Amino acid sequence: DADVTQTPRNRITKTGKRIMLECSQTKGHDRMYWYRQDPGLGLRLIYYSFDVKDINKGEISDGYSVSRQAQAKFSLSLESAIPNQTALYFCATSDLPTDGTGELFFGEGSRLTVL
Amino acid sequence: AQSVTQPDIHITVSEGASLELRCNYSYGATPYLFWYVQSPGQGLQLLLKYFSGDTLVQGIKGFEAEFKRSQSSFNLRKPSVHWSDAAEYFCAVGARSSASKIIFGSGTRLSIRP
Repeated sequence: DADVTQTPRNRITKTGKRIMLECSQTKGHDRMYWYRQDPGLGLRLIYYSFDVKDINKGEISDGYSVSRQAQAKFSLSLESAIPNQTALYFCATSDLPTDGTGELFFGEGSRLTVL
Repeated sequence: AQSVTQPDIHITVSEGASLELRCNYSYGATPYLFWYVQSPGQGLQLLLKYFSGDTLVQGIKGFEAEFKRSQSSFNLRKPSVHWSDAAEYFCAVGARSSASKIIFGSGTRLSIRP
């Protein structure tokens, strides 16, 4: 089983619908991230969480919300999806950079298409 | 502010030729630096990382990268590329700080000419 699991892997939805992307991990890491990948723009940070009670906005948080249900679970929601949120979304985890390197471990991605 | 620049959007090299992918960063603290590779349709895999010590780091698949603090660079190199190296490559930076987050460059797409 993968260390970082994202569901769903693919989703097609319509404008205005609410969408939730889920992420669970077995790495035991406190830190979890949601990134969005668009061609030519690389990976942009949407939200990150350093522990269950700590949620932080990233570069492009508008239109998104997150929930850290447990150490192992971090969900990304689009309350009212719009076409320019069509992208590949990645969840990632990392250890503490003060103890290790803070290296990211990625899920396989969730491809979202908003029509 | 923390930032990463990969100036080359797309590079094509011949199979067997050498490769260098450029990465420049801006970060106020001592950086941790990473190179990730994304093969078509796949997730991201760590190639190598630098966090301290020897500034020339070796990674998987025959890749290496050199940290040059004076130039704020962390360029990725490979002496002889293989067709299977065709992929997108991302440079990323973080810091040895409890508040650190990791920021990515926009990526360089590598094509291999037979």
